Amino acid sequence: DAGVIQSPRHEVTEMGQEVTLRCKPISGHNSLFWYRQTMMRGLELLIYFNNNVPIDDSGMPEDRFSAKMPNASFSTLKIQPSEPRDSAVYFCASSSRTANYGYTFGSGTRLTVV
Amino acid sequence: KQEVTQIPAALSVPEGENLVLNCSFTDSAIYNLQWFRQDPGKGLTSLLLIQSSQREQTSGRLNASLDKSSGRSTLYIAASQPGDSATYLCAVGYNTNAGKSTFGDGTTLTVKP
Repeated sequence: DAGVIQSPRHEVTEMGQEVTLRCKPISGHNSLFWYRQTMMRGLELLIYFNNNVPIDDSGMPEDRFSAKMPNASFSTLKIQPSEPRDSAVYFCASSSRTANYGYTFGSGTRLTVV
Repeated sequence: KQEVTQIPAALSVPEGENLVLNCSFTDSAIYNLQWFRQDPGKGLTSLLLIQSSQREQTSGRLNASLDKSSGRSTLYIAASQPGDSATYLCAVGYNTNAGKSTFGDGTTLTVKP
């Protein structure tokens, strides 16, 4: 397996633009997590899905953030409109009972909003 | 609410030294505990995963132990090398339905040549 795949690796956008981050979990993993990491706040859980259903989105900072998981092999995190304070590294991770719920992380998307 | 604490926040040791990183958690009803390594500007790499029924896991120079009753886990690194310099995070899983874990803030390790 290629692991958790995130795209793009880097994204630079202007304030006010829409940004879409993508994640492909490991095949067979039925839990998917979106995290944001900054120096100030560390690693923050934004939202997680189980069997494609959002379970807890209490970490989503504002209505500007939305996430979807239309099928078991794809998820998106969208920011619209983006703001400079959204600049961070966004990680996707997946897990499953068969993996004893151990997390596998993607390489992350480094987002810079100017 | 589960809280996970890693102390110290930073640690500097000379090359060759054996060292222990600590992770403590408030709720002992955990499902698993996972140690990760993160290099600057990189993602999180899983090092060891311990199930609640296990006491320890080993991989090469790394040994992770788990004591649920005291709410503690340790990551032991033998014969440290400069390449071990990184931030080490522990994550405690307590929700078996979706496998959600709570992360500590990490310990940044520097191994000096």
